Amino acid sequence: GAVVSQHPSWVICKSGTSVKIECRSLDFQATTMFWYRQFPKQSLMLMATSNEGSKATYEQGVEKDKFLINHASLTLSTLTVTSAHPEDSSFYICSANRDRGHNLEKLFFGSGTQLSVL
Amino acid sequence: RKEVEQDPGPFNVPEGATVAFNCTYSNSASQSFFWYRQDCRKEPKLLMSVYSSGNEDGRFTAQLNRASQYISLLIRDSKLSDSATYLCVVNRLRSNTGKLIFGQGTTLQVKP
Repeated sequence: GAVVSQHPSWVICKSGTSVKIECRSLDFQATTMFWYRQFPKQSLMLMATSNEGSKATYEQGVEKDKFLINHASLTLSTLTVTSAHPEDSSFYICSANRDRGHNLEKLFFGSGTQLSVL
Repeated sequence: RKEVEQDPGPFNVPEGATVAFNCTYSNSASQSFFWYRQDCRKEPKLLMSVYSSGNEDGRFTAQLNRASQYISLLIRDSKLSDSATYLCVVNRLRSNTGKLIFGQGTTLQVKP
């Protein structure tokens, strides 16, 4: 069964609104989670690393004020796309490592969120 | 130049065929290598890790050539269910922090 739960699966919203996406580790604690974005026919691009209890680390070119990340507990990270515009329409996906030793084979992904901004 | 490059395909093959995918990476400091499978609008799922010695899992064989910075995946006796996008993935940092770099993916379509 799924070990990382991501909601919602689909979001359609009007331009200018904000959208929150949740990522939960179901049966383990994740001090670090990762957020990716994938445009059609392109690779997953790492947006940011979400750190429990501290500020997220953003990749170059990702606006931290537009993509707000909150990792308030060891099992939940949220990504809020603020003032969404059509160009933000994409597949957003999170991941978390089940192994505290950071064995990458224990890295699990959420099921993803398809965001469509009208 | 992309850090991880793959031929996007699509590769259209008949059932039972053998198909090979290639991938190159540009950062020689990359430490870990993987093949993931992704179905349309779904999360990627780990297919196998890739080691310098090569590794095999059933019909799947992966090879890594560090000198050439080249990774391959061989699928034998293709099944219809193998149809998906195969992602070449590297971890560019020396510490395993989960910061993965994904290739664009190679699409495979297996036909009856």
